[in-house]
Amino acid sequence: AQLVESGGGVVQPGRSPRLSCATSGFTFSASGMHWVRQPPGKGLEWVATISSDETFKYYADSVKGRFIISRDNSKNRLYLQMNSLGAEDTAVYYCARSPQYSSTWSFDFWGQGTLVTVSS
Amino acid sequence: QVVLTQSPSASASLGASVKLTCTLSSGHNYYAIAWHQRHPEKGPRHVMTLNSDGSHSKGDGIPDRFSGSSSGPERYLTISRLQSEDEADYYCQTWGTDFVIFGGGTKLTVL
Repeated sequence: AQLVESGGGVVQPGRSPRLSCATSGFTFSASGMHWVRQPPGKGLEWVATISSDETFKYYADSVKGRFIISRDNSKNRLYLQMNSLGAEDTAVYYCARSPQYSSTWSFDFWGQGTLVTVSS
Repeated sequence: QVVLTQSPSASASLGASVKLTCTLSSGHNYYAIAWHQRHPEKGPRHVMTLNSDGSHSKGDGIPDRFSGSSSGPERYLTISRLQSEDEADYYCQTWGTDFVIFGGGTKLTVL
């Protein structure tokens, strides 16, 4: 399995970038997918989860109402729409996969991450 | 809400063994967890998924030197015959129906 994030960079406060995660090497439509972030000097923080068929979406309290997770199973891609960004959203953002056909949110593959820096 | 607690740091000598601990908060002894390894400037890597009964499944390419065990609320990751490339941050992770939680991470130093 391969997961490659893109869409990061320096973003002004209040802007609304969209991250993308291109996947290959597995049946994308069979896996729950996730976004996780790591702020500079801090640990991993779960951001959002989406079920394999997009029926269920869950968010961390810190991003609820601002971020939207989505997926396109025809393109094998995962997305994170980020709105109303603040400095606290500066982090490396990783996409991660749950095992195929699994009902759990364990992660078994990760991407390399994309850095989002919120700065004016 | 479940909380995962990890010691911030651990160290052991090259060739020795080390046991990292992830502790589940009270009342959550039955949760499975996953261990992940993260080297600087790299994405995390899944080490293993570990059940409350100690059974575990390792990630792709994880060597036999890595093993897992459980006791009550404790989830352990034991690394035997330590090598320099084992020096990394190790995070435990658990999940519920509508949430995912990470421990604070343990920075492992190989002396």
